[in-house]
Amino acid sequence: NAGVMQNPRHLVRRRGQEARLRCSPMKGHSHVYWYRQLPEEGLKFMVYLQKENIIDESGMPKERFSAEFPKEGPSILRIQQVVRGDSAAYFCASSPRPEQLHEQYFGPGTRLTVT
Amino acid sequence: GESVGLHLPTLSVQEGDNSIINCAYSNSASDYFIWYKQESGKGPQFIIDIRSNMDKRQGQRVTVLLNKTVKHLSLQIAATQPGDSAVYFCAETQETSGSRLTFGEGTQLTVNP
Repeated sequence: NAGVMQNPRHLVRRRGQEARLRCSPMKGHSHVYWYRQLPEEGLKFMVYLQKENIIDESGMPKERFSAEFPKEGPSILRIQQVVRGDSAAYFCASSPRPEQLHEQYFGPGTRLTVT
Repeated sequence: GESVGLHLPTLSVQEGDNSIINCAYSNSASDYFIWYKQESGKGPQFIIDIRSNMDKRQGQRVTVLLNKTVKHLSLQIAATQPGDSAVYFCAETQETSGSRLTFGEGTQLTVNP
């Protein structure tokens, strides 16, 4: 049973470009969370999605950031017009059932560097 | 706002010793507390969790203790091994919040051979 998969593992973008991060949850998991980790810090919640629905986006910056989890395919975190402050590791996690949402299994992360 | 934090940023132990990593939290409404291990360049790895109505839970070589009176959580690792070297995060969650995790800053555990 493959774990949570994220790609790319490393992404370099120039200021103003778009970054697109992908997350495939564990098989059978329909709940996806995105977190951001700045260097030397803990993870910070960004958004919680179920298939085709955004459940909680209270941690997402109001501009430039968006997320989706379509019926088919991976969850996508998109950052438009990236700035240097967006440089961070972005992790997604998946969870199996509503009664087990606290059990979140993390992917290896995408390390975004904005130059 | 509510936060979860750790007492010590670093902990160094000898191989074979027991390790204790501490965490303070402030949200008395938390339903679950979870410990994660993060090795360099990797994602957090689930270690063990404890529901808020429990005060102790044991796993393989790990024990989590919860003291709700003083809002304190600890992770005990028995017979620490070099492979245990990593950053350890505590996290809390509430079912009413969709179980988004609130993480502490992390403790770097170094195991000396």
